[in-house]
Amino acid sequence: QVQLVQSGAEVKKPGSSVKVSCKASGGTFSNYAISWVRQAPGQGLEWMGGIIPTFGTANYAQKFQGRVTFTTDDSTSTAYMELSNLRSEDAAIFYCARASGNLYFYYGMDVWGQGTTVTVSS
Amino acid sequence: QSVLTQPPSASGTPGQRVTISCSGSSSNIGTNTVNWYLQLPGTAPKLLIYGNNQRPSGVPDRFSGSKSGTSASLAISGLQSEDEADYYCAAWDDSLNGGVFGGGTKLTVL
Repeated sequence: QVQLVQSGAEVKKPGSSVKVSCKASGGTFSNYAISWVRQAPGQGLEWMGGIIPTFGTANYAQKFQGRVTFTTDDSTSTAYMELSNLRSEDAAIFYCARASGNLYFYYGMDVWGQGTTVTVSS
Repeated sequence: QSVLTQPPSASGTPGQRVTISCSGSSSNIGTNTVNWYLQLPGTAPKLLIYGNNQRPSGVPDRFSGSKSGTSASLAISGLQSEDEADYYCAAWDDSLNGGVFGGGTKLTVL
């Protein structure tokens, strides 16, 4: 059974960048869409965008466009999310999640990473 | 403000049937399928329903989903204490060309 294993918690200063990794353990990203979802403290889920490794294409939610970059390393079955110009309101848990058929939402996100907590503090 | 609208809270007693609504628009629920997720405190979300009414393997048939027009619903029958969690609806939005979630509904089992 494939698991998505994310990198550990990060503490960053305002204005800096954070890069979170998401490794597929026991499988690959072939024919899957990888989404990134943000959850601020005590808040709901927010789709940041995602990447389809098969096609090498990325989609970015308007809110994060220009500040976030999604990449993958097929050799290690690892996806990355880099968020730049961090501000205090970016503090959140960031999840990666997998969906079948190279479609972000059609089949639902059935495998999730454990989440990575990012703290932004001076 | 979430694109999909859910009631912030819902409640029921053990054994009861509860429903959670999710309201959207023609560009999201009206055109695309709806998924539902369950999130227990301190854990990652879990897929409960996809394609409006399909249950992934392992999800009990106590959980069911439906859609009509620009609204969707999640029904939980035979409510159990372990169903106490946050529930989120989600759909693709063609106008935004991105995914959207509801604000979440906190279900309390009394």
